[in-house]
Amino acid sequence: DVKVTQSSRYLVKRTGEKVFLECVQDMDHENMFWYRQDPGLGLRLIYFSYDVKMKEKGDIPEGYSVSREKKERFSLILESASTNQTSMYLCASNPIITGIDTQYFGPGTRLTVL
Amino acid sequence: SQQGEEDPQALSIQEGENATMNCSYKTSINNLQWYRQNSGRGLVHLILIRSNEREKHSGRLRVTLDTSKKSSSLLITASRAADTASYFCATGLYNTDKLIFGTGTRLQVFP
Repeated sequence: DVKVTQSSRYLVKRTGEKVFLECVQDMDHENMFWYRQDPGLGLRLIYFSYDVKMKEKGDIPEGYSVSREKKERFSLILESASTNQTSMYLCASNPIITGIDTQYFGPGTRLTVL
Repeated sequence: SQQGEEDPQALSIQEGENATMNCSYKTSINNLQWYRQNSGRGLVHLILIRSNEREKHSGRLRVTLDTSKKSSSLLITASRAADTASYFCATGLYNTDKLIFGTGTRLQVFP
């Protein structure tokens, strides 16, 4: 079974802190994704990576950056956390197989910024 | 950008009843997928239907796709309390590995 893990289930940070959210997948998938999920807004794509050191902005990249130094690990970075970044963050991965883009999700990190 | 819109936003039924959720989307798609999310957890893939398919079954799940109306429906037959969750549709587009998710339907099944 594919396993996607996220470093924390719950995280509380203060405004202005630098925050790292880590995601690891064990299935050698090329693609990895970071989403945030807010009530009534569904899942919105923050960043997408299709290979090591490669990244692409999603729909809401402002205030976030990402790092992918190894294929299995994709990090989301909040350079200076703000209260409007309080949200559920979901990581996902999938392999590059033409026509099959099912994503495998981690359990999520609920981040609260005070 | 929001592609999928689910309807209804929330649905409450009794065990044994069928639950139907609908999804509408805006652009041409390669496939449409349905995911389930238990409260406070990640999403789990349920079923994928390709743009050239009209209906697909998996256990108690039945998905239909009408590309002319840009809509899909998910039917859960003989629902159980354990089906209580949020359900999301996601559209897969051509020439990209990204998915666009809808806003979800919250299903509550009462025992």
